Amino acid sequence: QKEVEQDPGPLSVPEGAIVSLNCTYSNSAFQYFMWYRQYSRKGPELLMYTYSSGNKEDGRFTAQVDKSSKYISLFIRDSQPSDSATYLCARNTQGGSEKLVFGKGTKLTVNP
Amino acid sequence: DVKVTQSSRYLVKRTGEKVFLECVQDMDHENMFWYRQDPGLGLRLIYFSYDVKMKEKGDIPEGYSVSREKKERFSLILESASTNQTSMYLCASSVLATPPYEQYFGPGTRLTVT
Repeated sequence: QKEVEQDPGPLSVPEGAIVSLNCTYSNSAFQYFMWYRQYSRKGPELLMYTYSSGNKEDGRFTAQVDKSSKYISLFIRDSQPSDSATYLCARNTQGGSEKLVFGKGTKLTVNP
Repeated sequence: DVKVTQSSRYLVKRTGEKVFLECVQDMDHENMFWYRQDPGLGLRLIYFSYDVKMKEKGDIPEGYSVSREKKERFSLILESASTNQTSMYLCASSVLATPPYEQYFGPGTRLTVT
């Protein structure tokens, strides 16, 4: 059973749109949920993380975790062409292990 | 800034060759990781090292080995390259036992095995 499921897209939106990226997870015994952003021909880099249920905002980005439904979301407001990238959700593994489990990634294109 | 560097951006090797991929990090991180990334399959962990000379198998270790003789350097070895090992290889590092366990990635090596 895949532990983090993510719709691979691709997703194409016009500039200025609100983008919603989503993941589901199957095991509730985890603490940290993360979003990584990967530009073309680059390695992923951490965008945001949340520790518990609720929202976390950073500029145009909002990360949301709903532990009751095991849902992780990333919202991008006023999307820009520079947001075009692949977004990967991730969570740490059970017991606070150093390892992370990643979703397959959603490729987002924001069209000017 | 954390920097993780990988020895090559692009590499072309022949079937059966022994291939070495090198990764170096400059932030004194204890943990280092090797992943491969394939379309439709996402990031898959090959090996993980939490200390010099220590290693742990990831999800897909078959056909690979690793070496960590120095803290800053983690090598991935393909003993006998095969065409199904054509992929993007990503190295990452992280600080030991420090939530949220953020991993810092290198730029990747695109390996083609012909």
